[in-house]
Amino acid sequence: NAGVMQNPRHLVRRRGQEARLRCSPMKGHSHVYWYRQLPEEGLKFMVYLQKENIIDESGMPKERFSAEFPKEGPSILRIQQVVRGDSAAYFCASSPTRWGGEETQYFGPGTRLLVL
Amino acid sequence: GNSVTQMEGPVTLSEEAFLTINCTYTATGYPSLFWYVQYPGEGLQLLLKATKADDKGSNKGFEATYRKETTSFHLEKGSVQVSDSAVYFCALSEVKDSNYQLIWGAGTKLIIKP
Repeated sequence: NAGVMQNPRHLVRRRGQEARLRCSPMKGHSHVYWYRQLPEEGLKFMVYLQKENIIDESGMPKERFSAEFPKEGPSILRIQQVVRGDSAAYFCASSPTRWGGEETQYFGPGTRLLVL
Repeated sequence: GNSVTQMEGPVTLSEEAFLTINCTYTATGYPSLFWYVQYPGEGLQLLLKATKADDKGSNKGFEATYRKETTSFHLEKGSVQVSDSAVYFCALSEVKDSNYQLIWGAGTKLIIKP
């Protein structure tokens, strides 16, 4: 029973390039959450998606960042024109139903993005 | 807004030592509280949780009690093993515009020496 998969595990980009991070939730899970962890800081919520819908994007930067979770395939977090400050670990989590504040979220291993 | 504060790491202990990792929080309402653990190279895993005051969460020899009076959720283990070396995150749930979010502490790295 595969867990949450994220790829790539490590991604190096030069300033101005695009970064695409992929997340495949656990089988049977249709709710996905993206978090960012800056160096020496805790995780920060970015966005919550259900299949084909963005439910809560209150943690997403207003520019350059976007997320999608299509009917088929993984969820994608896209960062356009990356800057050095985007260097961080990006974690994806999934749940079988809408998270109600008590249940477990299941996490992937994260993608470490380094912007040169 | 709500926040979580954890003791800074790394925390280095010898095998079989007693462990405490402090976690305090500020929150309106009555959040659920969580400890997640991240082993090297892996994703975060839920270690234990407590959903109301005075609840005790426990798993794998770890315990934490939801103390509303001191707004704390300290993680304890009586005798640590080398395999407990990991990063430990304290978190709470928060409702924002009808959506629940997890608010995280910065994490505490634990190193256990044989």
